[in-house]
Amino acid sequence: SQKIEQNSEALNIQEGKTATLTCNYTNYSPAYLQWYRQDPGRGPVFLLLIRENEKEKRKERLKVTFDTTLKQSLFHITASQPADSATYLCALGEGADSWGKFQFGAGTQVVVTP
Amino acid sequence: EAGVAQSPRYKIIEKRQSVAFWCNPISGHATLYWYQQILGQGPKLLIQFQNNGVVDDSQLPKDRFSAERLKGVDSTLKIQPAKLEDSAVYLCASSFNRGPPYEQYFGPGTRLTVT
Repeated sequence: SQKIEQNSEALNIQEGKTATLTCNYTNYSPAYLQWYRQDPGRGPVFLLLIRENEKEKRKERLKVTFDTTLKQSLFHITASQPADSATYLCALGEGADSWGKFQFGAGTQVVVTP
Repeated sequence: EAGVAQSPRYKIIEKRQSVAFWCNPISGHATLYWYQQILGQGPKLLIQFQNNGVVDDSQLPKDRFSAERLKGVDSTLKIQPAKLEDSAVYLCASSFNRGPPYEQYFGPGTRLTVT
C-alpha cells in the first residue's frame, strides 16, 4: 500500500540553526510534492511545490529537494526562528494528468528555541 | 482576498446523532476538498469536487457521510449517524487550479467531538 513517512518525533532546534525534515514514500509515483505548515488549531498553509523533474526549490529561508530515486524529499529551514515553530506536512500528488488525489504525511513538529 | 470560511468551529454531539458542516471556498476556486484530520495524523481526503461534480470520493464512508456542493460554490458535509471514531477536525480547502498540482487553501476547520 502507499505510504508517506515523516519523522514522528519533534525536532528541537536552536534559533539560527538549520532545521532539516524528511519525507519518505513507498509504493508511490508522485508527479509533485508539496510542503505545508500547520499551526495548532489552524488549517495547513501551503509553502512550496516541487515537481518530479525538479531537484531543488527555494523560497526565502526555505529549501526543498526531491529525489525520486531515493523516494525522498528534504525540507530545510535555514536561520530558524521561534516563529518557525509549527508542524510541517508533506503531501504527494500522483499523476500529472490526474485529478490530484493528494495524500498527506502525518507531519513533523518543529520547535525552535531562542 | 477572503479565505476559506467554515462553520461551526466546534461541535459536540452524542454518538448516533447527525451533524453538518458548512464551507464557503475562496471566490473563483473551482476545486473544493473535505478532509478529516484525526489528532496526530495528517489530513485524509474525504471528497473532492470540481465545480459541483464529484471527482474523488473513494475514501468517504458513504454509509454515514455525505457531501454536496450546490451551484459549484458552498459545500456541506454531513455525518449521520456519528460514531465515536468520527471525532476529528474536518477541514475544507479550495484551489484555483483546474488541473494538478493543486495549491490548496485551507479553512480553520471544525473540531467535532462525539461522546
